[in-house]
Amino acid sequence: DQQVKQNSPSLSVQEGRISILNCDYTNSMFDYFLWYKKYPAEGPTFLISISSIKDKNEDGRFTVFLNKSAKHLSLHIVPSQPGDSAVYFCAASAGTSGTYKYIFGTGTRLKVLA
Amino acid sequence: DGGITQSPKYLFRKEGQNVTLSCEQNLNHDAMYWYRQDPGQGLRLIYYSQIVNDFQKGDIAEGYSVSREKKESFPLTVTSAQKNPTAFYLCASSMVRGHRGYTFGSGTRLTVV
Repeated sequence: DQQVKQNSPSLSVQEGRISILNCDYTNSMFDYFLWYKKYPAEGPTFLISISSIKDKNEDGRFTVFLNKSAKHLSLHIVPSQPGDSAVYFCAASAGTSGTYKYIFGTGTRLKVLA
Repeated sequence: DGGITQSPKYLFRKEGQNVTLSCEQNLNHDAMYWYRQDPGQGLRLIYYSQIVNDFQKGDIAEGYSVSREKKESFPLTVTSAQKNPTAFYLCASSMVRGHRGYTFGSGTRLTVV
C-alpha cells in the first residue's frame, strides 16, 4: 500500500510560469514532510521541508503548502527555470514512530521549457 | 567537507555472483539507509540502521544483506538470491533525532550482465 503518492508522473511548464507538484498521503501519523530534487544518475538533494504544525513554508522560489485535513501537500516553484527540470520526490515521516524513517513518493518529472 | 560517498558509480555483475556496494559518511550521522530506485517506482527502502551493530529490514530486503560495524560505513551486498538486481542504488544518512531529512550519496548503478 503506497502511503505517499505522487499521481502525476510528469509535468511540463513554460519558463517563468508557476510549477505545482502535488503529493498525497494516507497515514495521519505523518508529521514531517520533505521535498527532494533529483537529476539523472545523481543522488536526491534536499529542497524544502514542512512540519505538520505549519501549513506553509517558503524558501526563495520554492513554497510548500500542507493541507492536513486533505492529507495533501504541494510544492510551488515560481518562477520556473530550465535548471529546475528534474524529478521531484516528496517524503513523509512519523516522528512518533521513533525511527524518523521517511517514506518516499514515486516522483514527478518536471520539464521546464525555455 | 562532510558528505556521503558511494562507490563504485557503475558496477557490472554476472548472474549468480554476489556484489558489495560501498557507502561511507563523515557527517557523524547515526542512521544510514539503502534505497533502490527503479523507473516509475520511486525510492524503496532496502535496509536501515540507526546504530552500530544493529539494522532493520526495509520494504524490499529479500536478496540483500548489510552490516554496520562502524558508524561511518554501511555496505550493501546484493546476493545471487536477488531476482532483479539491475537498478540504481542510493545510500543515505541522517541524525536519529531531529527532522533534518537525509543526505544522499550520488548512487551506484548496478547492471547484471
